[in-house]
Amino acid sequence: AQTVTQSQPEMSVQEAETVTLSCTYDTSESDYYLFWYKQPPSRQMILVIRQEAYKQQNATENRFSVNFQKAAKSFSLKISDSQLGDAAMYFCAYRSGSLSGGSNYKLTFGKGTLLTVNP
Amino acid sequence: DSGVTQTPKHLITATGQRVTLRCSPRSGDLSVYWYQQSLDQGLQFLIQYYNGEERAKGNILERFSAQQFPDLHSELNLSSLELGDSALYFCASSVGVGSPETQYFGPGTRLLVL
Repeated sequence: AQTVTQSQPEMSVQEAETVTLSCTYDTSESDYYLFWYKQPPSRQMILVIRQEAYKQQNATENRFSVNFQKAAKSFSLKISDSQLGDAAMYFCAYRSGSLSGGSNYKLTFGKGTLLTVNP
Repeated sequence: DSGVTQTPKHLITATGQRVTLRCSPRSGDLSVYWYQQSLDQGLQFLIQYYNGEERAKGNILERFSAQQFPDLHSELNLSSLELGDSALYFCASSVGVGSPETQYFGPGTRLLVL
């Protein structure tokens, strides 16, 4: 079974600074997808960024980028120019890309990292 | 706004009772997923439906059941409720079951069992 580990329960960053959230995962599959979701105080789960394992290029969405190290099974999220609105719980998630087993399209989440942005 | 709707937003009930949570997926999405978020278990996958049929089961208790209707909305039924069932229940939807599928989440239903 796949597991996702977020080793930083809490992180803080100064407004306008850069912060990196860590995520590691364990899988024997070669085809999979990785996601970062943001959960602000409203509790809504918001997709931040997605990475396909077969792509060597790291995904980028505006101020958000990832460092995907497939061999190391590491998938970190970098937030540049942090804003007060970035304060939230961030979840790393894994999804299988294969069709086998029938249950593989579920998302497996890490425990989350609570990000505080200081003005 | 993800386009996924869930009702009700909040639900307070007593132990032993039964409740129904409703989810309407984004327009055009055929897959619906249910997740439970609790303090001790984190975010856990419960069950997935695709175009009316059950496709995958996760850590769903026997007291819980779900279905997806012809109009693609889904309901999660929780019965014989226990205090430990108190949680935030999310519904997510995606276009189908293939790759690359991104799941978009609804706002959740917060269930409190007293």
